Amino acid sequence: SAVISQKPSRDICQRGTSLTIQCQVDSQVTMMFWYRQQPGQSLTLIATANQGSEATYESGFVIDKFPISRPNLTFSTLTVSNMSPEDSSIYLCSARDRGPEGAFFGQGTRLTVV
Amino acid sequence: SQQGEEDPQALSIQEGENATMNCSYKTSINNLQWYRQNSGRGLVHLILIRSNEREKHSGRLRVTLDTSKKSSSLLITASRAADTASYFCATTLIQGAQKLVFGQGTRLTINP
Repeated sequence: SAVISQKPSRDICQRGTSLTIQCQVDSQVTMMFWYRQQPGQSLTLIATANQGSEATYESGFVIDKFPISRPNLTFSTLTVSNMSPEDSSIYLCSARDRGPEGAFFGQGTRLTVV
Repeated sequence: SQQGEEDPQALSIQEGENATMNCSYKTSINNLQWYRQNSGRGLVHLILIRSNEREKHSGRLRVTLDTSKKSSSLLITASRAADTASYFCATTLIQGAQKLVFGQGTRLTINP
């Protein structure tokens, strides 16, 4: 099983600023994903982080707002840009390999925008 | 949009009782998975059931899958206070890039 380290674990940010969240996996994985979980809600997929190429974004999420990097098979970052209070959520990094196996999750980043 | 719906949204039972949560989904799947989340933290994978399987067990967990009804259930037997958490089903679609689509979740509370 893979262990995912995600940081920061929480942050309080001023509106209009940007925050970069880091996700480090302790082994090489095929796929990495970023999710958002608004208070009391389920997880919504933001994008699939592709190694060495642009991320694949889900409907409603755009690269300008949520730029993602994945320079190698163990690391990815998500930036929440030009933040507003509506961006206050938990952001979760996930990783899995191809095949019928479960995904691993980081502990999440609890973001509060004031 | 979310693939699945779960019911109940919240469930409160006494320790030692069994807890059953249900999940429905809309499109054809490769597999269905259940996850647990404690207090807004990261999710923990519990069990995966393939689309050609009907039932699977893991310790105190029992999962069923009915592809004709597009539904699944998670049974936790002999519940413990430590089982208090939110439980989510997630599906991997036949068409799609291996991404997981989550249901709305069930908030389970086990009362001592």
